Amino acid sequence: DTAVSQTPKYLVTQMGNDKSIKCEQNLGHDTMYWYKQDSKKFLKIMFSYNNKELIINETVPNRFSPKSPDKAHLNLHINSLELGDSAVYFCASSLRPNEKLFFGSGTQLSVL
Amino acid sequence: GQQVMQIPQYQHVQEGEDFTTYCNSSTTLSNIQWYKQRPGGHPVFLIQLVKSGEVKKQKRLTFQFGEAKKNSSLHITATQTTDVGTYFCAGGTSYGKLTFGQGTILTVHP
Repeated sequence: DTAVSQTPKYLVTQMGNDKSIKCEQNLGHDTMYWYKQDSKKFLKIMFSYNNKELIINETVPNRFSPKSPDKAHLNLHINSLELGDSAVYFCASSLRPNEKLFFGSGTQLSVL
Repeated sequence: GQQVMQIPQYQHVQEGEDFTTYCNSSTTLSNIQWYKQRPGGHPVFLIQLVKSGEVKKQKRLTFQFGEAKKNSSLHITATQTTDVGTYFCAGGTSYGKLTFGQGTILTVHP
């Protein structure tokens, strides 16, 4: 069983569309994250939830909205997609904040 | 805000040569973690250091945490082609935020 699974793996869409990426972890962790990795490999944290509560909300356009229905799930919804949103988005989880991260396999988002 | 700088950005080595990547934080860290990301893959946790001056080894990999808990290094002895990938440090703070360095992309020529 995959510990942290995110779907879809690839997402190709037009500018202006709205899309969602889903993430689920079966590790029993309390903390989940969304990271964005750009073409230069830089990993930037976007959001972090601990026990379904938002604890980190970096400077991200408000077109990005995370939602955590329960501790095992953290979804990312993106409105009005722009070219600059093209990147790989990684979901991750950890037992507690600041501890060892387990990453999902990533979602390659391409905005045309 | 907290910044974690990692150098070099790229490193090309011949198989058998040693490799080192360095991390420096603008603030004192509570811990530092290291991750490896293979090409096309996702970051995978390697190790965590929490004590000032700590040194840990994993086979050919040696990790150090500075005395002031503001810098760290990862050294690989006698690189192999399986070592290729991007190595990231990530500095943790007492308020629960983990900040990644820019990563070092390592290529190993056989």
